[in-house]
Amino acid sequence: GQQVMQIPQYQHVQEGEDFTTYCNSSTTLSNIQWYKQRPGGHPVFLIQLVKSGEVKKQKRLTFQFGEAKKNSSLHITATQTTDVGTYFCAGRANQFYFGTGTSLTVIP
Amino acid sequence: SAVISQKPSRDICQRGTSLTIQCQVDSQVTMMFWYRQQPGQSLTLIATANQGSEATYESGFVIDKFPISRPNLTFSTLTVSNMSPEDSSIYLCSARDPGAPGYTFGSGTRLTVV
Repeated sequence: GQQVMQIPQYQHVQEGEDFTTYCNSSTTLSNIQWYKQRPGGHPVFLIQLVKSGEVKKQKRLTFQFGEAKKNSSLHITATQTTDVGTYFCAGRANQFYFGTGTSLTVIP
Repeated sequence: SAVISQKPSRDICQRGTSLTIQCQVDSQVTMMFWYRQQPGQSLTLIATANQGSEATYESGFVIDKFPISRPNLTFSTLTVSNMSPEDSSIYLCSARDPGAPGYTFGSGTRLTVV
């Protein structure tokens, strides 16, 4: 079954509000990747985290990898309409799994 | 990063027929991957395709239903055989640049079986 769960499944925010999606694995991951999929599009790689406790930033996006390497989060500050899409985490345990995804809607 | 051209982008097929999806990568890659994605759902790996060897299928997917070809390091095909409406989905190919961390995806094939 699905080993990488994300919450929430859906999130609606007003433009300018912050957004966070959480990714949780049942097993320790060697790394975690994040992808964004726009409506009707294909997944696009955003970033990879490898080290325990690692934090990386890309402009308004902040990515964290948990100390136990079983969870991760993506935080978007001051959302914009261009942030709309589904955000997937993906991690490697015995094989590479995509998370269940969080669909973000930004209301102008 | 690698660029992957995938076709067709969409098709409507009659049940019982087969559809072959093609992916062309603009650089040589060791492994290519085929995924299925139901609308609004996550990605499920169908199989991994290595050049020169048989594809490795994930649990629940079999070669007779999803035959894969990998004739060289830049090309792969996935055939959806003897289709039924349950095969209606988005099919995506993927590859990873050597030395790059992330995976690149084709634009996807939206398949509807009627």
